[in-house]
Parts: sequence; structure tokens; C-alpha cells
Amino acid sequence: DAGVTQSPTHLIKTRGQQVTLRCSPISGHKSVSWYQQVLGQGPQFIFQYYEKEERGRGNFPDRFSARQFPNYSSELNVNALLLGDSALYLCASSVADSNSPLHFGNGTRLTVT
Amino acid sequence: GENVEQHPSTLSVQEGDSAVIKCTYSDSASNYFPWYKQELGKGPQLIIDIRSNVGEKKDQRIAVTLNKTAKHFSLHITETQPEDSAVYFCAASIWGSQGNLIFGKGTKLSVKP
Repeated sequence: DAGVTQSPTHLIKTRGQQVTLRCSPISGHKSVSWYQQVLGQGPQFIFQYYEKEERGRGNFPDRFSARQFPNYSSELNVNALLLGDSALYLCASSVADSNSPLHFGNGTRLTVT
Repeated sequence: GENVEQHPSTLSVQEGDSAVIKCTYSDSASNYFPWYKQELGKGPQLIIDIRSNVGEKKDQRIAVTLNKTAKHFSLHITETQPEDSAVYFCAASIWGSQGNLIFGKGTKLSVKP
């Protein structure tokens, strides 16, 4: 079975631009979470979506937004990119919004210059 | 909010020895504690998890122990192998909200042949 898939794998953007990252959860998983991992740190929670509704939001500015589609795939959007947004963006899925562990994809490496 | 501290930040062992990584958490409401292994260029992979209604869980060479009173939990790897070399992360959340995990900063484990 395919795991969580993310695209693109790598991305280079210029400060001030906008970026969209995509995630397809494991088949049968209805919940998607997004995390930011800065080099040398643990992942930090950004959003969780379940059944197309936002179930949680971390301490990130409004420049970060996300949505989930009827097929449970998800997009993370970041506007007005800053140098500090350079990081590995991880998507994780779980069967439901509770009572099931998270499984991560390999991430999108975003570099802002 | 929850805060997870992880020690040590780096750990080097000889092949065949045991490795122990320790974490503490601050929020007594947390009751779900997963451990993830992250290899270079990949996303975190769930290796074992424990809920606070048990004190210990074992899966082959890997075990996790939990002390709710002291708010400590630990990962034990026995008979280490070179392929165990990776960065290991502990995390904590409230069961039912495990889309929102709070991670430690990670331990880089090196197993020398």
C-alpha cells in the first residue's frame, strides 16, 4: 500500500512569493495534519483537518492556510514567504481524528531565498 | 501548553549495546506518547507508542516505559544494529487529539559497527 505522498519533494521560492504544497493520505485515512520541521528540530504542528473541517491549528501566522478535499487530500498554502519559512513541511495522516496514530510522508523541502 | 524535553541530543553506542533515550513532559493531561525514527531525507516513521493506561510496551528489540507520576517516558533499544542509526523523536499529546503532537528536539543515535 502506498504511504502518505507529498509533492513537490523540493521547492525554491523567493521572499514574498506564495507556495502551495500537496498531500495525499494513506488510502482509507480521513485525517490530515501538517507539520513544519526546521533543521535540527522536532516537527511543529501547523494544522489538522478531518472530513474537510479544521480540527486544530498551531501557533502559526495567518499567512499559513490549508484545506482538505472530498477525496481527503490536502493542500498547505503559505503567502508572503519569509526566509524563516525555509523548512521541511511534513504531512501526516490517520484513520480518523482520534484513536489512531499518525503516519508521516517524506515531506517537501522548501527553501526561501 | 505542553512542553517535551528530550535527552540526550546525541548518543553513540557500539553495535550490540543498548541505547536509552529519555523524555519528560509538562502537561499532566497528556496520555499518548509515540516514538518516531527519522532517517536522512525521510519523514518520521512511527516505531512504537504507548498510552498512559500501561506502564511498559515492548516490540522485539524496542521497548517504551512510562512513569506518569514523574512525567517521564523512555525508549529502550537492545542489541543495537548499524541500521538503528537515525534521529529519534519522542512526542506527547492527548489521546483523541493525536493529530496535534508536541515533539521533543530529537536524539541522533549512532551505532558503530
